[in-house]
Amino acid sequence: SQQGEEDPQALSIQEGENATMNCSYKTSINNLQWYRQNSGRGLVHLILIRSNEREKHSGRLRVTLDTSKKSSSLLITASRAADTASYFCATSRGGSYIPTFGRGTSLIVHP
Amino acid sequence: KAGVTQTPRYLIKTRGQQVTLSCSPISGHRSVSWYQQTPGQGLQFLFEYFSETQRNKGNFPGRFSGRQFSNSRSEMNVSTLELGDSALYLCASSAPSDNEQFFGPGTRLTVL
Repeated sequence: SQQGEEDPQALSIQEGENATMNCSYKTSINNLQWYRQNSGRGLVHLILIRSNEREKHSGRLRVTLDTSKKSSSLLITASRAADTASYFCATSRGGSYIPTFGRGTSLIVHP
Repeated sequence: KAGVTQTPRYLIKTRGQQVTLSCSPISGHRSVSWYQQTPGQGLQFLFEYFSETQRNKGNFPGRFSGRQFSNSRSEMNVSTLELGDSALYLCASSAPSDNEQFFGPGTRLTVL
């Protein structure tokens, strides 16, 4: 079963707008990762945030983690058509290095 | 550094057959994980191999098996294929004690 659940399932925006995706999870985690997948291809790692961190940035990406609410958000600023993809959160907990993936948010950025 | 490679990229089989998929991890990565991705179930963890040993296993039937060789290359095998095995099979490698997974492009398996 999925540990993380992304919200919304689908998001459609115009180029230049910001895109925000959320991930909620059920049990305590060691870290949370965000991945991107372009149309049926392999996943690409975007960012990892540890349970003792609250915010991380990477280029146009900003990830926040609220362990009290068991939730994380991924913000993509000034989106581009090339950002069109599915975005997955993945959580790791306990002594396992194996991340558990959510079902993903499908993002479409219209040029 | 070369990325994770998977072969073949596409495969069509019929019910009852068996199939073997191959994965070559990033050089230096000793952990290889396999995932099944379907529209209905999402991304499901199959198993992980580390130093030729299965270290973690997901909740899949025994028809799904794998192995890892001394050079860290890994294979997964599915026997007695069912229609529901049609999926994108993804392989990922990671460095020791690292959560970040580097994914290959996947093998698209279609079972007719």
